[in-house]
Amino acid sequence: GAVVSQHPSRVICKSGTSVKIECRSLDFQATTMFWYRQFPKQSLMLMATSNEGSKATYEQGVEKDKFLINHASLTLSTLTVTSAHPEDSSFYICSASSRQDGPNEKLFFGSGTQLSVL
Amino acid sequence: GENVEQHPSTLSVQEGDSAVIKCTYSDSASNYFPWYKQELGKRPQLIIDIRSNVGEKKDQRIAVTLNKTAKHFSLHITETQPEDSAVYFCAASSGGGADGLTFGKGTHLIIQP
Repeated sequence: GAVVSQHPSRVICKSGTSVKIECRSLDFQATTMFWYRQFPKQSLMLMATSNEGSKATYEQGVEKDKFLINHASLTLSTLTVTSAHPEDSSFYICSASSRQDGPNEKLFFGSGTQLSVL
Repeated sequence: GENVEQHPSTLSVQEGDSAVIKCTYSDSASNYFPWYKQELGKRPQLIIDIRSNVGEKKDQRIAVTLNKTAKHFSLHITETQPEDSAVYFCAASSGGGADGLTFGKGTHLIIQP
């Protein structure tokens, strides 16, 4: 399957600081990437859809000014958690779809970033 | 929007027995149903998926069935092994692919030795 790389894998930061998470598609071009959030023992919740060269589409309830998404190239999307607070502590996972597979398009996930805000 | 219900939340089976996880969906337009396996702290891994033009798909010990009329789909794992222990998520999408995937709440599968 396609490879999606995500960095960093773990971040510990102080309240009020900003954290940037990178998501890269290594062996395919991803015009669209997705950012999910997962709390312990819970499911994956879609935060936003990141479109290359255009603004991200945010799900209801997700603050676009707090979770900044940039998708500047076909292989890289970044999520910046601005002015992080303890309630932002969570597991953030990016994903990309293999759109080049056409009707057999599938979704592949990055390795996730565990964010802990002190 | 789509709503995906997944049951059970926890499933414990003896090694070698079969495990079945069931999901229902609400949007009749949904046409893509992947299953993901997630080990603690790791990324979800796609293990099998099915599209609405087929009723069943099998890959070695894993199979998925789809009943479009009843709007439910199931994951079947036969001859379970300790390494099958993980959380399994079902998902549904009306876009035919990755767009708009809605995930179930997950099933923690425990394989008892």
